[in-house]
Amino acid sequence: ETGVTQSPTHLIKTRGQQVTLRCSSQSGHNTVSWYQQALGQGPQFIFQYYREEENGRGNFPPRFSGLQFPNYSSELNVNALELDDSALYLCASSLTSGGAGNIQYFGAGTRLSVL
Amino acid sequence: GQNIDQPTEMTATEGAIVQINCTYQTSGFNGLFWYQQHAGEAPTFLSYNVLDGLEEKGRFSSFLSRSKGYSYLLLKELQMKDSASYLCAVRDPRLDNQGGKLIFGQGTELSVKP
Repeated sequence: ETGVTQSPTHLIKTRGQQVTLRCSSQSGHNTVSWYQQALGQGPQFIFQYYREEENGRGNFPPRFSGLQFPNYSSELNVNALELDDSALYLCASSLTSGGAGNIQYFGAGTRLSVL
Repeated sequence: GQNIDQPTEMTATEGAIVQINCTYQTSGFNGLFWYQQHAGEAPTFLSYNVLDGLEEKGRFSSFLSRSKGYSYLLLKELQMKDSASYLCAVRDPRLDNQGGKLIFGQGTELSVKP
C-alpha cells in the first residue's frame, strides 16, 4: 500500500464526453504527477502539480488539464474524449525536498474506456 | 530525444536468477528507478540508482553505468509472485527541483515458471 488513492477504479465514457479523475496523495506529499499508461506500454508523463500550480507538462494536448487542491489532492480532467484516450491513468505523489531521489509512489490507477 | 529500451518479455524458472537490462538515451539524467507492476495494480518502487555501481536490497539488486547508459535489475531466488512487469524509468533533471518527471521504458513482462 502506497497511501495514494485514486477514484473511480473504472470508467466507461463515449467519444466527445468529458471526464474527471481524482487522486489523494500520500500523507505529507506535496507533489502530484499524472501518467497515462496504454496497454502493454510504460506510463507516459502528462503533467505535474506542485503547490497547486502546474509544474511541467508532457506531450499532451490542452484538453488534458488538472488541478491541485490545498490538501495536495489532485484532479485530472479530459475534455472531448477520443478513442485513443482509453488507458490506465496513474497518479503518483512525492515529497519535494529539492534533492535527488524523490521517489514517486503510485496509486492503482483509473481504467478509462472510451467507446 | 528520449529513449529507454528494455526487452519486452522474459521467462525464468522458480528459484533461478534473472537479469533485466535497460539502456537509455536521454537529454539529461538524474537517477534511474525500477518499478514492479502486477497486472491491474499500481507500479511499486523497487530501487533507485544515481551513482555507478550496485545497489542491493534483499533478493533484488540494481546496477547502473552512467557512461554506458545502462542499468540492470537482478532478481535472485525467483518466486512465482515475481511474475510481473518491470519498468525502468529515468528521472528528467529539467524538473529536478520539484519531484521530477519520470521517463519510462515500455516494461519487461517477466513470467516465472515452476
